Amino acid sequence: RKEVEQDPGPFNVPEGATVAFNCTYSNSASQSFFWYRQDCRKEPKLLMSVYSSGNEDGRFTAQLNRASQYISLLIRDSKLSDSATYLCVVNIPLKAAGNKLTFGGGTRVLVKP
Amino acid sequence: DGGITQSPKYLFRKEGQNVTLSCEQNLNHDAMYWYRQDPGQGLRLIYYSQIVNDFQKGDIAEGYSVSREKKESFPLTVTSAQKNPTAFYLCASSIERGIGYGYTFGSGTRLTVV
Repeated sequence: RKEVEQDPGPFNVPEGATVAFNCTYSNSASQSFFWYRQDCRKEPKLLMSVYSSGNEDGRFTAQLNRASQYISLLIRDSKLSDSATYLCVVNIPLKAAGNKLTFGGGTRVLVKP
Repeated sequence: DGGITQSPKYLFRKEGQNVTLSCEQNLNHDAMYWYRQDPGQGLRLIYYSQIVNDFQKGDIAEGYSVSREKKESFPLTVTSAQKNPTAFYLCASSIERGIGYGYTFGSGTRLTVV
């Protein structure tokens, strides 16, 4: 089983609609969670951190469900510019000291007029 | 402006050659990382370094080598032992030693074997 799993999509979304997708993680000791956005042939960029209480940043809402070991991202009022691949990132403890970020394979979102 | 600079942006390697990818950051970050991304796939960790003069293998270290002689620099060498090196290589850094903070990425190097 992969450490971090995502539905690859694509999610085809009409402009102005809402889209939501999840990411599951296998290590219950994971401590922190992020959503990154990656545009085609570009580097990933941090979209938002995911907090236990859930958090919102404009049209984006992230949720964490520790019991079921998944995080979610919801995009409201989708814009054409939201078309991208969204990477789920989980901080996984290392056997030695420290942690590492592990990336899911990404969920592709295509917003269409 | 602070950031991470990767060079070159595109690199072509002949079979049997070693090539070195550069990664420099001026963010004063302790930790640095190298990831590889293949088309349509997620990022896989090659090597990471939490402090100068120390580095650790990631999940796919075979055929790669690194050094961390300066805090600002973390070059990656793709050796001839790496059988399938064509990929998008991303360097990242973080302010804490991988503990709970997001990473800042460089713009990447696209390596192609010709």
